[in-house]
Amino acid sequence: KAGVTQTPRYLIKTRGQQVTLSCSPISGHRSVSWYQQTPGQGLQFLFEYFSETQRNKGNFPGRFSGRQFSNSRSEMNVSTLELGDSALYLCASMSGLDYNEQFFGPGTRLTVL
Amino acid sequence: AQTVTQSQPEMSVQEAETVTLSCTYDTSESDYYLFWYKQPPSRQMILVIRQEAYKQQNATENRFSVNFQKAAKSFSLKISDSQLGDAAMYFCAYRAGVTGNQFYFGTGTSLTVIP
Repeated sequence: KAGVTQTPRYLIKTRGQQVTLSCSPISGHRSVSWYQQTPGQGLQFLFEYFSETQRNKGNFPGRFSGRQFSNSRSEMNVSTLELGDSALYLCASMSGLDYNEQFFGPGTRLTVL
Repeated sequence: AQTVTQSQPEMSVQEAETVTLSCTYDTSESDYYLFWYKQPPSRQMILVIRQEAYKQQNATENRFSVNFQKAAKSFSLKISDSQLGDAAMYFCAYRAGVTGNQFYFGTGTSLTVIP
């Protein structure tokens, strides 16, 4: 079974631009969560989607948004990029039947110049 | 809100020796799950071990075991016979049992294995 995939793997943007990251969960997984990872901060929860609905949201500004499609693929969008948005963005999927493990993708490394 | 604390930003261990990584958490829930995830330099996060709070027996997975102290809200990871491949960031995570679709992570411990 294929794992969680994220595209692109690396991205360089400038301040003020917007960016869209994509995540394809493991086949059959309906839950997708997004995290921002920066040195010293660990993983900061952004949001979680289940069956195209946002179930949980972390404490991030409205510039961070997401959505999930009927095939469970998810996208995360960041508008008006700031230097502080530079981070590794991780996506994780879970089966709707077993919440005992999140499977992570390799991440997208976003650099904002 | 649930919080997970890893007080050791960095740890090192000699190859073949044993090391223990610490984790404490704060929750008012009685039913929950605890996890240790490993993130090697390649960045793919993988699950190392998990513990259900209702189980008194400590979880073990080969060389990895936990010391779960529910009253103290402590969940440490012991790595025995450390190998070079164990070098990674280790994250402790918590998930509530009933409404538990959100995971809370600690800030991580960077483990170095010395040959």
